[in-house]
Amino acid sequence: AQKVTQAQTEISVVEKEDVTLDCVYETRDTTYYLFWYKQPPSGELVFLIRRNSFDEQNEISGRYSWNFQKSTSSFNFTITASQVVDSAVYFCALSEATDRDDKIIFGKGTRLHILP
Amino acid sequence: DSGVTQTPKHLITATGQRVTLRCSPRSGDLSVYWYQQSLDQGLQFLIQYYNGEERAKGNILERFSAQQFPDLHSELNLSSLELGDSALYFCASSVSHRGIETQYFGPGTRLLVL
Repeated sequence: AQKVTQAQTEISVVEKEDVTLDCVYETRDTTYYLFWYKQPPSGELVFLIRRNSFDEQNEISGRYSWNFQKSTSSFNFTITASQVVDSAVYFCALSEATDRDDKIIFGKGTRLHILP
Repeated sequence: DSGVTQTPKHLITATGQRVTLRCSPRSGDLSVYWYQQSLDQGLQFLIQYYNGEERAKGNILERFSAQQFPDLHSELNLSSLELGDSALYFCASSVSHRGIETQYFGPGTRLLVL
């Protein structure tokens, strides 16, 4: 069965520090997608990334980077030189890409506080 | 502004009632997702439509139904409402380019069932 675990419920770091949010997943499929979403205090949801299971290259987008490791079933998210605006709840999610059953399963989220 | 609109923004209703939530995707986006976020259940995927056809089904209750119309807007119908249906309902539309998908979220509809 699918499962996504975000073991860090809440993290606080001082501005400009780097921070890594952990995401561990379980799936029986060899083809799946992994996602990260951001939900700032204002409440809207922001899509950050979708990664295909066949693409193990790390992704970098500005201060954001994602480390996908199949060997450890992890898809960790790092924010470099954090800023107060990065304060949000971050959700990791998994979707198994099987026919019509590619529903998305979310982790419980990690609340990130960036302290000025 | 993501370009995805949802109406209404807020909805207060009573148990047993039926409501319809509406989502207009970004122009040209064929795919629409519906999500529910509640304190009890967290963030949950409900259902996805692609160009009018149901594409994937998540934890959507039988009391809930959805459809996507020819103009690509989507509606989520919630019936026989219960207190536990109080939640934030988000829709998102998506576009794929060279296998890379990006989802754009609407502002959500906050439903309160009394």
